[in-house]
Amino acid sequence: QKEVEQNSGPLSVPEGAIASLNCTYSDRGSQSFFWYRQYSGKSPELIMSIYSNGDKEDGRFTAQLNKASQYVSLLIRDSQPSDSATYLCAVNFNMNYGGSQGNLIFGKGTKLSVKP
Amino acid sequence: DAGVTQSPTHLIKTRGQQVTLRCSPKSGHDTVSWYQQALGQGPQFIFQYYEEEERQRGNFPDRFSGHQFPNYSSELNVNALLLGDSALYLCASSAPGTTYTDTQYFGPGTRLTVL
Repeated sequence: QKEVEQNSGPLSVPEGAIASLNCTYSDRGSQSFFWYRQYSGKSPELIMSIYSNGDKEDGRFTAQLNKASQYVSLLIRDSQPSDSATYLCAVNFNMNYGGSQGNLIFGKGTKLSVKP
Repeated sequence: DAGVTQSPTHLIKTRGQQVTLRCSPKSGHDTVSWYQQALGQGPQFIFQYYEEEERQRGNFPDRFSGHQFPNYSSELNVNALLLGDSALYLCASSAPGTTYTDTQYFGPGTRLTVL
């Protein structure tokens, strides 16, 4: 059973702080990892994708991947109240096809609350 | 550049009825995946369509079926609706790519309520 685990939260941080969101996955063969942000009542919006071990930075967001530990995280620097949302970690387990491929396995999401 | 679109936005049905949801992928995308998201849960994969064929399927019963048209748009059909089918149904599209660097972009979703 391929699984993606996240702490459900809520995670509460003050405005301007760093929010750290964590995710573990069960399949060591996984190769692509995604973070989506979902506001209440809305659909998931892609924030970051990461494929190689290490850090990937995009503005205030940094994704970190450690395949040996089967762990992926998302750091949000200078958190803003507008960052308050549920953050979904998704892993693409299926590498059997060429071209567009695979389905995403999602965690249940971590709810982040940024207090002004 | 239009993103992924879905219709309708909201739908209310009664148990036993049938429903059809529609999705148009992002321009340049040829693959459509459907997900079901229950309240408080992450999206769950239903199936994926590529070249008008179902390429992969998640752990959903045969009551869930789909179709992809030559213009890459897609439909999700659910027969014999159950109360537990109430959820947000998400369509995601992705572009032709190589190896594993595929990224899926989601539409706004269809909120289905079964009474």
